[in-house]
Amino acid sequence: GPKVLQIPSHQIIDMGQMVTLNCDPVSNHLYFYWYKQILGQQMEFLVNFYNGKVMEKSKLFKDQFSVERPDGSYFTLKIQPTALEDSAVYFCASSHWGTSQNTLYFGAGTRLSVL
Amino acid sequence: GDSVTQKQGQVTLSEDDFLFINCTYSTTTYPTLLWYVQYPGQGPQLLLKVTTANNKGISRGFEATYDKGTTSFHLQKASVQESDSAVYFCALVESPPNYNVLYFGSGTKLTVEP
Repeated sequence: GPKVLQIPSHQIIDMGQMVTLNCDPVSNHLYFYWYKQILGQQMEFLVNFYNGKVMEKSKLFKDQFSVERPDGSYFTLKIQPTALEDSAVYFCASSHWGTSQNTLYFGAGTRLSVL
Repeated sequence: GDSVTQKQGQVTLSEDDFLFINCTYSTTTYPTLLWYVQYPGQGPQLLLKVTTANNKGISRGFEATYDKGTTSFHLQKASVQESDSAVYFCALVESPPNYNVLYFGSGTKLTVEP
């Protein structure tokens, strides 16, 4: 089936540095999402993105977070600067339409470890 | 706000056992309820969804229904196999206008022993 690829699978970074998580969504999808999962807890919505713009974001999407998809390349989540509480697995997802109308396809996640 | 509670963190069964996993939810809208399955090393993938209370979703031998009266949502399978070992997440998506957010439960890790 359709695949969402996330690069890298694991990233280790020092607190205060910048990190960019990359997502290669399904090729004809129009909506893109990031979810965050702290170990042992549920996946929580961060942000969704459509037509070059953030459509919705949660309170977890702090000012230090940003997303973009320049020229149809990777959909990225940038955190600058990182904090210890940013350590989590970040899942990217894409869908052709909005959530209730179509299926979200998730990547395998990027495990971010902030030291 | 919307939330999903999935209390069974781990379930261990033997092959051909009956599976039943339950979630409860809280929402002020008319939600679609979903089950996702995550195999080791992969992202969550949609298993099935139910858009209307008391309707049944069926996929790959799994069934799910949701009960609006008790605000509960369950997943069942008559006879599990070792290949069903995975983490199962229940999730909720609201009806419009705020329909672009999935709310997940914390997951149930199913281990099926041969």
